[in-house]
Amino acid sequence: EVQLVESGGGLVQPGGSLRLSCASSGFSFSIFWMSWVRQAPGKGLEWVANINEDGSVKDYVDSVKGRFTISRDNARNSLYLQMSSLRAEDTAVYYCAKGQWLDDWGPGTLVTVSS
Amino acid sequence: DVVMTQSPLSLPVTLGQPASISCRSSQSLVHSDGNTYLNWFQQRPGQSPRRLLYVVSNRDSGVPDRFSGSGSGTDFTLRISRVEAEDVGVYYCMQATHWPPYTFGQGTKLEIK
Repeated sequence: EVQLVESGGGLVQPGGSLRLSCASSGFSFSIFWMSWVRQAPGKGLEWVANINEDGSVKDYVDSVKGRFTISRDNARNSLYLQMSSLRAEDTAVYYCAKGQWLDDWGPGTLVTVSS
Repeated sequence: DVVMTQSPLSLPVTLGQPASISCRSSQSLVHSDGNTYLNWFQQRPGQSPRRLLYVVSNRDSGVPDRFSGSGSGTDFTLRISRVEAEDVGVYYCMQATHWPPYTFGQGTKLEIK
């Protein structure tokens, strides 16, 4: 059974940084693209970033380019999202999702950017 | 970026009756490889999203056959043949043909009348 578990969310001040992690199990992590998708409170879904199997290809939505960095550690079956220069509008539940077409999702971790 | 527009945004349905959600894209979703990367997701209250259909009409494992998808080019439809109580939630279409970024529709909230 595919399992994805995000962690690392919390309250951070505007301008601050946070690193999200996604631990995976139940599938061969190293052969799948992985994505981060976020959902602001009471709002819809927004794709944030994805990364290919070996980490050589990374793409981002324009609103996070230069501030967020997606990475992965295939030896640890883990996906990461380093977030810096955080803004109030980055407040959201952040989900990691398996595959290029978002086959499976984790339960999410809440990031709140507020002073 | 490709804009995805869903309608209706709110869908009250009587149990056992059919339901239909429309999704339109601002440009054709036919990829150069011939596939159309249009997916549908369901988000039940308090849960994370779950993919229902991929490449327009392919049901994911465990998805009841009362869910079906159709469409081509820029017009797509999610149909539920007979709505059950467990179908309550928000439904999103998402295009993965022209990326980055992947883009989602605004979501359609299905509720029981």
